[in-house]
Amino acid sequence: TQLLEQSPQFLSIQEGENLTVYCNSSSVFSSLQWYRQEPGEGPVLLVTVVTGGEVKKLKRLTFQFGDARKDSSLHITAAQPGDTGLYLCKGGSEKLVFGKGMKLTVNP
Amino acid sequence: GAGVSQSPSNKVTEKGKDVELRCDPISGHTALYWYRQSLGQGLEFLIYFQGNSAPDKSGLPSDRFSAERTGGSVSTLTIQRTQQEDSAVYLCASSPRGLQTYTGELFFGEGSRLTVL
Repeated sequence: TQLLEQSPQFLSIQEGENLTVYCNSSSVFSSLQWYRQEPGEGPVLLVTVVTGGEVKKLKRLTFQFGDARKDSSLHITAAQPGDTGLYLCKGGSEKLVFGKGMKLTVNP
Repeated sequence: GAGVSQSPSNKVTEKGKDVELRCDPISGHTALYWYRQSLGQGLEFLIYFQGNSAPDKSGLPSDRFSAERTGGSVSTLTIQRTQQEDSAVYLCASSPRGLQTYTGELFFGEGSRLTVL
């Protein structure tokens, strides 16, 4: 069974702080995606990484795919209240596995 | 509409009743997925359709759960004899292609919140 473990599971920070979310697995994935879900809505894709060691930046968000394609991280710089939400990682495989998510609250 | 549409958005039912949840995917998307999400947690995979066929039903929690897709478009998830532990948000997603494209984006609806009393 392919599992994706996310850590931390909950994080409450003040506006302007930095944070890193981790997504780890014992399995190798062909790709990895990060989604963000706001209350009452469905998840929305933030990024897809496909190459081991790949780094992608989306404004204040930096995504990295591990060299062995078993893990990924999401770093947010200078978090803002609009970043509040549930961050989910998803492995590219036939099982469409999602992690349990990291619930982020950014307080003004 | 332009996005994935789910109905009802909220459903409250009594234990033992049957419920049907509907998903209308983005036009032209061949793949359709059902997930369950409890208490704002991660997504539990239920079933995947490629066209009208369901190659993977392994996530369905019990034989009380069934799903069908007709005309390669609308899908219905049916839960028979509902139990309190079925209470959750049921999310539907679609994608232009199926699992052969593992990097494909999933487009989600807003979900159907089911509460079983």
